[in-house]
Amino acid sequence: KQEVTQIPAALSVPEGENLVLNCSFTDSAIYNLQWFRQDPGKGLTSLLLIQSSQREQTSGRLNASLDKSSGRSTLYIAASQPGDSATYLCAVTGDAGNMLTFGGGTRLMVKP
Amino acid sequence: NAGVTQTPKFQVLKTGQSMTLQCAQDMNHEYMSWYRQDPGMGLRLIHYSVGAGITDQGEVPNGYNVSRSTTEDFPLRLLSAAPSQTSVYFCASSSDRGYGNTIYFGEGSWLTVV
Repeated sequence: KQEVTQIPAALSVPEGENLVLNCSFTDSAIYNLQWFRQDPGKGLTSLLLIQSSQREQTSGRLNASLDKSSGRSTLYIAASQPGDSATYLCAVTGDAGNMLTFGGGTRLMVKP
Repeated sequence: NAGVTQTPKFQVLKTGQSMTLQCAQDMNHEYMSWYRQDPGMGLRLIHYSVGAGITDQGEVPNGYNVSRSTTEDFPLRLLSAAPSQTSVYFCASSSDRGYGNTIYFGEGSWLTVV
């Protein structure tokens, strides 16, 4: 059974810092990995999707990398802003194309 | 541009009551799913559907029922509510099973069972 772990569970940083969120998964037979953002009281918004054949994806200040063989992904946020404060979740799609398996999330607070 | 719409947003139920969480999408997506989110556990898949008339169980299906009579709607039924079903429920849809296209989530339904 696939298990997805995110470390740290919570993170507080001053504005302007570059930061890294970590995601690990136990079964490397994945089709893709996605990073989501969740604001309090809201649903999830997809940020980046990395196919299993890719190493990284970039969108603006966000960069996600994938090391499928070691079961790890990182989300890099450059020049963090207070508006980045949210919970970030990673999720993997199994090789059989079943629905997503989520990690527990990292709650990020960026202080002005 | 509605996307995925869930109702109700908040609901309090008594143990043993039944209710239906509604989910509708206007993107003509074939794939729809229901997740529950509990503190520290991320989201867990309850049921999913790959098209009208086709449903299947996810990781935590017990106590829930689904049907998919139309492409647009995917209601989740709680048959006899239990306190363990207190959670936030999210409906999601996508044009594929998650292989490469964006998955869209509703804003969630907060359910408390007392």
